[in-house]
Amino acid sequence: DGGITQSPKYLFRKEGQNVTLSCEQNLNHDAMYWYRQDPGQGLRLIYYSQIVNDFQKGDIAEGYSVSREKKESFPLTVTSAQKNPTAFYLCASSMVLAGNTGELFFGEGSRLTVL
Amino acid sequence: SQQGEEDPQALSIQEGENATMNCSYKTSINNLQWYRQNSGRGLVHLILIRSNEREKHSGRLRVTLDTSKKSSSLLITASRAADTASYFCATAMYSGGGADGLTFGKGTHLIIQP
Repeated sequence: DGGITQSPKYLFRKEGQNVTLSCEQNLNHDAMYWYRQDPGQGLRLIYYSQIVNDFQKGDIAEGYSVSREKKESFPLTVTSAQKNPTAFYLCASSMVLAGNTGELFFGEGSRLTVL
Repeated sequence: SQQGEEDPQALSIQEGENATMNCSYKTSINNLQWYRQNSGRGLVHLILIRSNEREKHSGRLRVTLDTSKKSSSLLITASRAADTASYFCATAMYSGGGADGLTFGKGTHLIIQP
């Protein structure tokens, strides 16, 4: 089945630790995205990538890092510099629609809790 | 910053009734999209409407777009208990940078009472 796979679904971290969230897609999409969702809130863009080996900061990139070494993969590292990392993290991918963002396909999310 | 703002924040109706949600945004857009999210799950795309379109239908969904008022509405007809979810509007702004993502509102939480 084509889609986006995020892992792990739940993750617990101690303060001061870095954690990496995995995101893999087999939709052959060029663009991939990481969003953060807090309770009762909308989604906020952390990082995005439109091609391999290139990525751009979104609205809330501080304390996060990404890489895009393969078209299929876009892992997100939540570093110890992120002051409030407890949140629901969503990965998405899309085709580029006439030079703009088309429909996003989302994974099932990773819920990170800092103890 | 939030580009889209949904209204109402929460809506509770009886099964079989129609549900209408509204979205307002601030800057010019290329397209506007609606998504659905069940509790604790990822978002699912419902419908995309381009800036030069005024209305679009998909099954029991009807979306309108008024670019002069910078607003959109999502109508779900003949609601079912399974429609209970949060609904988000999201905008793609005109950009020379390509697919640089969508800006989401905070969502409308819809509850369908059986």
